Amino acid sequence: GDSVTQMEGPVTLSEEAFLTINCTYTATGYPSLFWYVQYPGEGLQLLLKATKADDKGSNKGFEATYRKETTSFHLEKGSVQVSDSAVYFCALTASGSARQLTFGSGTQLTVLP
Amino acid sequence: NAGVTQTPKFQVLKTGQSMTLQCAQDMNHEYMSWYRQDPGMGLRLIHYSVGAGITDQGEVPNGYNVSRSTTEDFPLRLLSAAPSQTSVYFCASGTYNEQFFGPGTRLTVL
Repeated sequence: GDSVTQMEGPVTLSEEAFLTINCTYTATGYPSLFWYVQYPGEGLQLLLKATKADDKGSNKGFEATYRKETTSFHLEKGSVQVSDSAVYFCALTASGSARQLTFGSGTQLTVLP
Repeated sequence: NAGVTQTPKFQVLKTGQSMTLQCAQDMNHEYMSWYRQDPGMGLRLIHYSVGAGITDQGEVPNGYNVSRSTTEDFPLRLLSAAPSQTSVYFCASGTYNEQFFGPGTRLTVL
């Protein structure tokens, strides 16, 4: 079946550091890929998405590129802030929609001032 | 516009007890779903609904029942709680392009 593998956390960075969170996937066909963010005590929020190969999703300074050749969708940000501290989830759907998401295990990010 | 609301926020049950987790949305979304979140495992889909009167099973449906009598509400029922159902439960509603998640219910089964 479909699956998503994320880099193990937790990740601790200093403010203004560069962030990479690795995400690889296994899926048949052409999945849509997502990054969700969960701030403490809250539900998940969609951060960005990409629906086809070579698409780049971006939002709030975060970026991720859909790489079909490496089955990857790594999340990057050039300069993190304390307010970026959260849990980040990579996810996919087998169809073109955002429904019936398959999630990775999540990566806890802490940014220190 | 409250979005997706869930009640209660916290609940402690004893093994064998039953309860219903409530979920409501005010965005007129046809699609709603329930996930559970366990440490190190991300979120897993329990049940989902594509509209009033229509429900289907997700990845981990055993021990849970759902119904969808209105567009707004999608309750999740535990008929006989087990310690393995200790988890954080998230309800979501959405469109073809995006899902919106509620704040979650933290359930402990002793």
